[in-house]
Order: sequence, then structure tokens, then C-alpha cells
Amino acid sequence: DVKVTQSSRYLVKRTGEKVFLECVQDMDHENMFWYRQDPGLGLRLIYFSYDVKMKEKGDIPEGYSVSREKKERFSLILESASTNQTSMYLCASTPPANGGKGEQYFGPGTRLTVT
Amino acid sequence: AQTVTQSQPEMSVQEAETVTLSCTYDTSESDYYLFWYKQPPSRQMILVIRQEAYKQQNATENRFSVNFQKAAKSFSLKISDSQLGDAAMYFCASAGTASKLTFGTGTRLQVTL
Repeated sequence: DVKVTQSSRYLVKRTGEKVFLECVQDMDHENMFWYRQDPGLGLRLIYFSYDVKMKEKGDIPEGYSVSREKKERFSLILESASTNQTSMYLCASTPPANGGKGEQYFGPGTRLTVT
Repeated sequence: AQTVTQSQPEMSVQEAETVTLSCTYDTSESDYYLFWYKQPPSRQMILVIRQEAYKQQNATENRFSVNFQKAAKSFSLKISDSQLGDAAMYFCASAGTASKLTFGTGTRLQVTL
């Protein structure tokens, strides 16, 4: 079974802190994604990566950056956390052969609260 | 660009009954895929069912089936013989030739005894 893990289930940070959310997948997937989930808005794509060192902006990249130094790890970085970044963050991965055909495999999510 | 619309924020169904969740989408791509994902209280997103747009036959997975109306850009999910474990948020999603998913806003399904 594909496993996608995220470093924390719950995280509380203060405004202005630099925050790292880590995601690791164990199936050698090329494609990895970061979403945020907010009530009434569904999941929105923040950033994605098709390969190591590659990154592309999603629909709401402002205030975020990412890092993909190793194939299995995709990090989401909040350079200076703000209260409007309080949200649920979901990581996902998928192999390139699937393209749009296959499912994305999701991690359990990190609920981030910025106070 | 793709958009996905779920117009039912909440639905309720009695155990053992059938419920249909609605989804409409819009896409400029000729080759695309549609999905229903389930998110139970544990928050783990799980793929329920997948439909390839070029296939006319509606996908079915056990008690879950879809009604795919390509011309109307409609992709509804039917859950038969509802069970308590079906209670969750359900998200409709679409993907084009790239791997990116576009999600709807979700429908919260309650299952009552």
C-alpha cells in the first residue's frame, strides 16, 4: 500500500513564525502536491512538483514556498505565518504514469493554527 | 481551466436507503477524468470511484455508482444501501492531462438510523 505521511497532525504556531510542513511518500512517486482545505471552499492547490528540484505554483501560492530536495519528500514552508493561514493542509502524491487517470494518494493532513 | 461545483453542502440519508450526491463540472480539455473522494472524520481522503471521460459506461464500485452525463457535464454519485460508515465529506474532483485535481466544495453526508 502507498503510504503518505505528514510530520504533524496538529500544529500551533505564532504569527510571524517560519513554519515547515513535511510530507513523505514511500512509493517512489514523481508527482507531489500540497493543498489547503477550508470549510465551504473544498481543497485548493498551493504548489506541486513533478520531480526533484522542480516546483510549480498552484491556485493559491501566495505566502507559501516549497522544497523538493529528495524524491520522497515535499516540504511546504510558511515564511512568516499569518492568522489567515490557519487551515488544514493535505499532501498528496501520484506516479507520472497515471497522469490524470489515477488517484492521488493523500496524507492524513496537518491542522495548523496560527495565533 | 477546470471548475467543479457541488451544490449540496449537506445531505442526509437513512441507513439502508439510497442517496445521490450531485456534481457538475466544466473543462476545456477533451481528455479528462472525474473522481469522487470520501473524507471521513479521520480526515484521510479515500478514492471512492473514478470515471474516464472517454468511457460511456458509468463506473461502479460495489454500492457506489455514478451517473455520468458528458453533454450536461454532470457527474453524480449514487450510494445504495447506505451504511453508518458512509457518513463523511464527499468531494467531486476533475483532472485533465496533467495530474492536478480540481475539487468541488464538498457535500457532508449524514447517515441516520
